[in-house]
Amino acid sequence: EADIYQTPRYLVIGTGKKITLECSQTMGHDKMYWYQQDPGMELHLIHYSYGVNSTEKGDLSSESTVSRIRTEHFPLTLESARPSHTSQYLCASRGPRAEAFFGQGTRLTVV
Amino acid sequence: KQEVTQIPAALSVPEGENLVLNCSFTDSAIYNLQWFRQDPGKGLTSLLLIQSSQREQTSGRLNASLDKSSGRSTLYIAASQPGDSATYLCAVLYTGANSKLTFGKGITLSVRP
Repeated sequence: EADIYQTPRYLVIGTGKKITLECSQTMGHDKMYWYQQDPGMELHLIHYSYGVNSTEKGDLSSESTVSRIRTEHFPLTLESARPSHTSQYLCASRGPRAEAFFGQGTRLTVV
Repeated sequence: KQEVTQIPAALSVPEGENLVLNCSFTDSAIYNLQWFRQDPGKGLTSLLLIQSSQREQTSGRLNASLDKSSGRSTLYIAASQPGDSATYLCAVLYTGANSKLTFGKGITLSVRP
């Protein structure tokens, strides 16, 4: 069983608010990822990290930012939420066997 | 361009049928291939991981095979059940891909009682 957790699971927030989506893993994995997925659509990589103090932009341009101060924690922040940010955000980490594990996701709705 | 293709996009079968889901990739220089299951509104659950040096992996009613030379992987589901209804995604870790997985768009499976 993978130990990777995302909070909150659901979030409804007003336009212009600042939000942080949390992702934590207890497996000691160096590599962590954030994906964005609209309902019924494919996954898009928006950020990833090789380890502490490492962050990279993914394949899909995103107005969000990430930080990696601790190995186990990889939060994603939106400084000013807009309706176009409404989506599901999935966090993942990858282990030494290179097996990837995903959290349950955060479904964000910006009204 | 390194891509992953899953066809068809959707599949509906009667309960009890054995079925095969296909995944194609464009470059044989892969590190590994992973199959996931995703239920609506949820995250991805890892089903099977196949390293590039392996030919197949098995877990319960699931068997995944890998043929690098032809750029193909198959996920075999034996004696399908309604609880198997979900979207199945294939993801490839290409060598030199800066640790990024390349995902297919998934196959949505419906198993009819």
